Amino acid sequence: TQLLEQSPQFLSIQEGENLTVYCNSSSVFSSLQWYRQEPGEGPVLLVTVVTGGEVKKLKRLTFQFGDARKDSSLHITAAQPGDTGLYLCAGSMTTDSWGKFQFGAGTQVVVTP
Amino acid sequence: ETGVTQTPRHLVMGMTNKKSLKCEQHLGHNAMYWYKQSAKKPLELMFVYNFKEQTENNSVPSRFSPECPNSSHLFLHLHTLQPEDSALYLCASSQDRTSGNTIYFGEGSWLTVV
Repeated sequence: TQLLEQSPQFLSIQEGENLTVYCNSSSVFSSLQWYRQEPGEGPVLLVTVVTGGEVKKLKRLTFQFGDARKDSSLHITAAQPGDTGLYLCAGSMTTDSWGKFQFGAGTQVVVTP
Repeated sequence: ETGVTQTPRHLVMGMTNKKSLKCEQHLGHNAMYWYKQSAKKPLELMFVYNFKEQTENNSVPSRFSPECPNSSHLFLHLHTLQPEDSALYLCASSQDRTSGNTIYFGEGSWLTVV
């Protein structure tokens, strides 16, 4: 059983469209991170959210942490081909003091010109 | 460039071979990790080292043997692997093992076992 469920698993959109990917859990996390991974590369950190209800913006990307700190979403406005990649969420649990992060299986996003 | 460097980037080895993956971080971090990433599966934590001490072995088979000679270097020694061990092996580091610390990944080592 995966601790973090990401949806959808795959998303294909046209350039200029908006998209939202979700990361859900029944567990509470002390922090949650979003990564983007391109083929053949390691994940690259996009953002860390730590406060329930927190919203962070990174250019066209908007990240939200749920009030209860059990879920998060990533919204991309006016997607571009460069946004193509595997988006991973990773959570650190409140009871876990070892710095271990639980990862979701990821959402593969493809943005076509 | 994340400050975490892995070598080699690609490795093909036979089931009877012995090889090693190397990871070096230039971030001054105290914790280092090995993760395994297989197709369509979540990243799997394999080992955690904090201040050179192994603090986590996530039920990893003994054919994978980690070594952490200092806080900047981490190795994964490979011996008599199976084809199902073919995957992307990712090294990562963080300041320490405190919950919520940001972890930084290397680019990974693609391993193919034939």
